[in-house]
Amino acid sequence: GENVEQHPSTLSVQEGDSAVIKCTYSDSASNYFPWYKQELGKGPQLIIDIRSNVGEKKDQRIAVTLNKTAKHFSLHITETQPEDSAVYFCAATPRANNLFFGTGTRLTVIP
Amino acid sequence: DAGVIQSPRHEVTEMGQEVTLRCKPISGHDYLFWYRQTMMRGLELLIYFNNNVPIDDSGMPEDRFSAKMPNASFSTLKIQPSEPRDSAVYFCASMSGQGSYEQYFGPGTRLTVT
Repeated sequence: GENVEQHPSTLSVQEGDSAVIKCTYSDSASNYFPWYKQELGKGPQLIIDIRSNVGEKKDQRIAVTLNKTAKHFSLHITETQPEDSAVYFCAATPRANNLFFGTGTRLTVIP
Repeated sequence: DAGVIQSPRHEVTEMGQEVTLRCKPISGHDYLFWYRQTMMRGLELLIYFNNNVPIDDSGMPEDRFSAKMPNASFSTLKIQPSEPRDSAVYFCASMSGQGSYEQYFGPGTRLTVT
């Protein structure tokens, strides 16, 4: 099956700085790459996703890039705010109904 | 819509007892997923249903775990007998399956087996 690795496991940034989280995947058939944000005591929530026919996608302060050749994708958060503090998970799948999650990155934004 | 609803939110039980976790998916969603989250293993898919039919249960740890979806608006995950290593947060998620791949997660059930 698919194997997704995520780095770093923890990340601290100053408010206003950018944060980057990176993931690699193993299955070249994977074609859907979502990012989920999990706040304390809550379930994960989709924040952005990208499909394999697209190299980059942006939504306000959040962007995701995909390099299919190298089998890696990244989440970029610009102008970070304290409410961005959470655990972020990447995922990959060759079939949308079976997500393989990374191990998560705990992001702390320091005011 | 109220989103995915799970109950109970917290469950504390003794080893050997039966535990039943409940989930109500978002109305109109065709897919329902059960996940387990632990520090050691992260988020793991246990089983998923499509139109109430179990499609892939390869993630179910062992025969002590069973899941049912008797209708489109209700699913259960049962552990019998429970063991301390089953302690985790169990999430239910649903997905429309009609062109959208977004999975909507419930708030989770934190299970502690002593």
